[in-house]
Amino acid sequence: DTAVSQTPKYLVTQMGNDKSIKCEQNLGHDTMYWYKQDSKKFLKIMFSYNNKELIINETVPNRFSPKSPDKAHLNLHINSLELGDSAVYFCASSQEVSRGGYSNEQFFGPGTRLTVL
Amino acid sequence: AQSVTQPDIHITVSEGASLELRCNYSYGATPYLFWYVQSPGQGLQLLLKYFSGDTLVQGIKGFEAEFKRSQSSFNLRKPSVHWSDAAEYFCAVGGFSGGGADGLTFGKGTHLIIQP
Repeated sequence: DTAVSQTPKYLVTQMGNDKSIKCEQNLGHDTMYWYKQDSKKFLKIMFSYNNKELIINETVPNRFSPKSPDKAHLNLHINSLELGDSAVYFCASSQEVSRGGYSNEQFFGPGTRLTVL
Repeated sequence: AQSVTQPDIHITVSEGASLELRCNYSYGATPYLFWYVQSPGQGLQLLLKYFSGDTLVQGIKGFEAEFKRSQSSFNLRKPSVHWSDAAEYFCAVGGFSGGGADGLTFGKGTHLIIQP
């Protein structure tokens, strides 16, 4: 009955590979996010999707591509992995209460630790 | 642009002592403010949140926070810490920009160490 789940929990791969991280939420939320936490534990928003539509795309290399097949899923695909991509990636979701009354309380997944060798 | 400052990178507190973690924010509209806690190797757990109303908000695990608009602060407090409170604490700000969901902007975190 996990609210926001991510797979895999750990991902170790070589430079230049392409990999995907999957995220699923069973909360019925309409907005999902990807965050990156670097080695200094700094958390930064990467993407936000609302009802399968991209809302936020921060300054992220276009090697990173989010894909939302439906409201409950937001997967992160990374092409040509680089050493600097090593980090913990968190998925989150939230529910818009009503226009102008958006709460933005976000529920986070357990994270995926990506290590690029 | 919105920002969050947590001026203390590390704080050491004796078990049973009181705790205050500082957070200052900058946000152009009405802020929604959050405190999250992250234990080693774990995800983020919401401690408490402020949207509107009473400026003193109660959270889980005995934590509370006070929103002070004049000081742009949202400091986290606990009257008596337990060894299990040792973790990384993040303050965050978000809101509704009219275009949809705002991602949260996080501070750099405060690492809390509990001394026996």
